[in-house]
Amino acid sequence: ETGVTQTPRHLVMGMTNKKSLKCEQHLGHNAMYWYKQSAKKPLELMFVYNFKEQTENNSVPSRFSPECPNSSHLFLHLHTLQPEDSALYLCASREIGTRDYNEQFFGPGTRLTVL
Amino acid sequence: LAKTTQPISMDSYEGQEVNITCSHNNIATNDYITWYQQFPSQGPRFIIQGYKTKVTNEVASLFIPADRKSSTLSLPRVSLSDTAVYYCLVGALSYNTDKLIFGTGTRLQVFP
Repeated sequence: ETGVTQTPRHLVMGMTNKKSLKCEQHLGHNAMYWYKQSAKKPLELMFVYNFKEQTENNSVPSRFSPECPNSSHLFLHLHTLQPEDSALYLCASREIGTRDYNEQFFGPGTRLTVL
Repeated sequence: LAKTTQPISMDSYEGQEVNITCSHNNIATNDYITWYQQFPSQGPRFIIQGYKTKVTNEVASLFIPADRKSSTLSLPRVSLSDTAVYYCLVGALSYNTDKLIFGTGTRLQVFP
């Protein structure tokens, strides 16, 4: 248990569906991240929120839409996805300004399959 | 952001010490060297971080030479449960920098 939870853990959706991934951190952190990890590829940073403000959009297609309503919750809204979007989607959080500058806490991920 | 290079895979046996070396020739003055561990279908987990010389915690040791162009993660007496992918990252998250770049990592396989 890292203090970061993600739901659902597994999701299968068709290309015309709309779904949302949810992330919640119980650590009091003030920065949250979405990463994508495809098979045999490195983690790709998608979005970053610092103090609920989006500070990074790493050239992610508009069919992925993030939302950060407060510092503890992060959503990734999905619509009209493609099969190549099938991947493990990971949420992470960190405390800005701590001594361990590069320590991020990751959730277990959502395994997404797009049919 | 400094690029890192590490072996794609390594094999070891239970009880052995494993050393994984990472090169980062373009490391910047403010950069820290950080290692993460990832098990299949889980998120990465922070293992250790250092700036220079040697850092040790309950899980691993990190050796960094004076020029900081490389680093070595040392896992003492590995067990089967240490089978994972290990990532070396170089950077410095701060108020102004949110990016850490994960490479392909080193896949460590521990055999009985």
